[in-house]
Amino acid sequence: GQNIDQPTEMTATEGAIVQINCTYQTSGFNGLFWYQQHAGEAPTFLSYNVLDGLEEKGRFSSFLSRSKGYSYLLLKELQMKDSASYLCAVRDAGNMLTFGGGTRLMVKP
Amino acid sequence: DAGVIQSPRHEVTEMGQEVTLRCKPISGHDYLFWYRQTMMRGLELLIYFNNNVPIDDSGMPEDRFSAKMPNASFSTLKIQPSEPRDSAVYFCASSSGLAGTYEQYFGPGTRLTVT
Repeated sequence: GQNIDQPTEMTATEGAIVQINCTYQTSGFNGLFWYQQHAGEAPTFLSYNVLDGLEEKGRFSSFLSRSKGYSYLLLKELQMKDSASYLCAVRDAGNMLTFGGGTRLMVKP
Repeated sequence: DAGVIQSPRHEVTEMGQEVTLRCKPISGHDYLFWYRQTMMRGLELLIYFNNNVPIDDSGMPEDRFSAKMPNASFSTLKIQPSEPRDSAVYFCASSSGLAGTYEQYFGPGTRLTVT
């Protein structure tokens, strides 16, 4: 099975940088995803890591260490619209995703 | 493409009634997933299909839940009989391996309330 842990809530200031951590214990690993979900909306894809290292995409970056079962999502130059839940998800050897409970990020002015 | 389409968007029903949720995946996607999301349990996978064939239904809570995918462009999730604890948002998602990542695209969800 899969066990995925991420903080429940975080608060940050507009313009700042925030790092959301995710740790996982899995019986099989075939990639890690980050999704963003605004209140009342569907999750939308942010990033994908399957190899160790950093993937950068604009203001968002995601890091993976497979040996440590660890990932983080880094958000730079925070904007008010970044207030949302961020979901870490691990894919198994098939194509099944197991989601963490999500981290609710509140960006304050 | 219109994205993943789900209907209805909202459903309110009484306990004991049958509920049918519908999903049209993105054209060309060969994987389809049904999820349920609640505050208490987060986002849970119920069942997924590959090329219309159910691959893993271990997340289906009990026999009251059933899912079908009669063709590549349509799937249903049925709850019979419904119970108040089934109240949740049900998402359908689809994916394809063509991009190499198998990222899943989610539909807008169906908010189900069972009274």
